[in-house]
Amino acid sequence: DGGITQSPKYLFRKEGQNVTLSCEQNLNHDAMYWYRQDPGQGLRLIYYSQIVNDFQKGDIAEGYSVSREKKESFPLTVTSAQKNPTAFYLCASSIEEGDKQYFGPGTRLTVT
Amino acid sequence: GQNIDQPTEMTATEGAIVQINCTYQTSGFNGLFWYQQHAGEAPTFLSYNVLDGLEEKGRFSSFLSRSKGYSYLLLKELQMKDSASYLCAVRDPPTDSWGKFQFGAGTQVVVTP
Repeated sequence: DGGITQSPKYLFRKEGQNVTLSCEQNLNHDAMYWYRQDPGQGLRLIYYSQIVNDFQKGDIAEGYSVSREKKESFPLTVTSAQKNPTAFYLCASSIEEGDKQYFGPGTRLTVT
Repeated sequence: GQNIDQPTEMTATEGAIVQINCTYQTSGFNGLFWYQQHAGEAPTFLSYNVLDGLEEKGRFSSFLSRSKGYSYLLLKELQMKDSASYLCAVRDPPTDSWGKFQFGAGTQVVVTP
């Protein structure tokens, strides 16, 4: 079955540590996205990628980094520079930019 | 950018109808999407409107009025499994071949027996 996987589902880290969230899709989609979801707020775009080896900052990219070395994979690193990293992180993909998005199950990151 | 408003929560009885409104103020518009999200899970696509009018998909319908900056999602014959958050998302016009999405905070629908 085609879909998007994110791992792990829950992640705990100490302040000051970098952490990488995995996102893999086998839908053969060109575009991939990372969102952050906080209670009472809409999804906010962190980074997006339209094609391999290319990505752009979204609305809240500070303290995050990404790579897109393969079409299927778009990992997100939450660095120690991110002031408030505890959140629910969602990865999504679409056939092409601007098309309806398919979301992964999400990773809930808790930093203490 | 976009400013998107939805009610925070709505409660309805099983079998009833609920209408979730979404208003937006935009510097551009290129389509409106509705997603359903159960607690702790991924949003799933429900419907898409780019032209004015009503789109019907089984128990779910979505309406758009671009002149009013207004959309609604209508859920008919409510079932307990419809208890979820419903997200309204507006797509920006493509600039440099990119159309970004702006999401509302979501409307939590609670279906009671």
